[in-house]
Amino acid sequence: GAGVSQTPSNKVTEKGKYVELRCDPISGHTALYWYRQSLGQGPEFLIYFQGTGAADDSGLPNDRFFAVRPEGSVSTLKIQRTERGDSAVYLCASSSPGDTQYFGPGTRLTVL
Amino acid sequence: EDKVVQSPLSLVVHEGDTVTLNCSYEVTNFRSLLWYKQEKKAPTFLFMLTSSGIEKKSGRLSSILDKKELFSILNITATQTGDSAVYLCAVGTPSNTGKLIFGQGTTLQVKP
Repeated sequence: GAGVSQTPSNKVTEKGKYVELRCDPISGHTALYWYRQSLGQGPEFLIYFQGTGAADDSGLPNDRFFAVRPEGSVSTLKIQRTERGDSAVYLCASSSPGDTQYFGPGTRLTVL
Repeated sequence: EDKVVQSPLSLVVHEGDTVTLNCSYEVTNFRSLLWYKQEKKAPTFLFMLTSSGIEKKSGRLSSILDKKELFSILNITATQTGDSAVYLCAVGTPSNTGKLIFGQGTTLQVKP
């Protein structure tokens, strides 16, 4: 079956711009996660959705970052007033509750 | 602060060698330990371990968890060039948050 998909695969933007990153989870997975991976590091947790609600957003670095999942399926990670330090690969994962997380291919964000 | 530490950070071997990758952890609430293989962007799931002393095996890969000493190892026997990747260890926290805490990864290069 189809895995987790993420669009775009690459995004280049200028400092100060707004970006949206999209994640389509595996069908039927109610849990959805966003992580950020900087070069040479492991992924860092950003936010976790159970259904439509954000069950844990403790990893969001500041209020420029926001994520939604309005219908409990597709999720969008939104970054306002991007900074060069936001450059990273943004990974999305989905799972059944308590089960293994399956990752998408990520979006590589470059802020110039 | 919860943390996961992997060693070595990088490793170069020749085809046919056996390698052992290490993962130690200190977390407040442990639920499971997972190993992922990351070749390009998407980490792909290898193993999930929840009980001490029970080896999980898949082909040439195997892993075991020691919950008393707070570590896990991933063994790869008869390495092949296709095993070249970053191997990530992650600790799963209780299901009400669901987040994974990742180590920084071990970069394995297998030379022909």
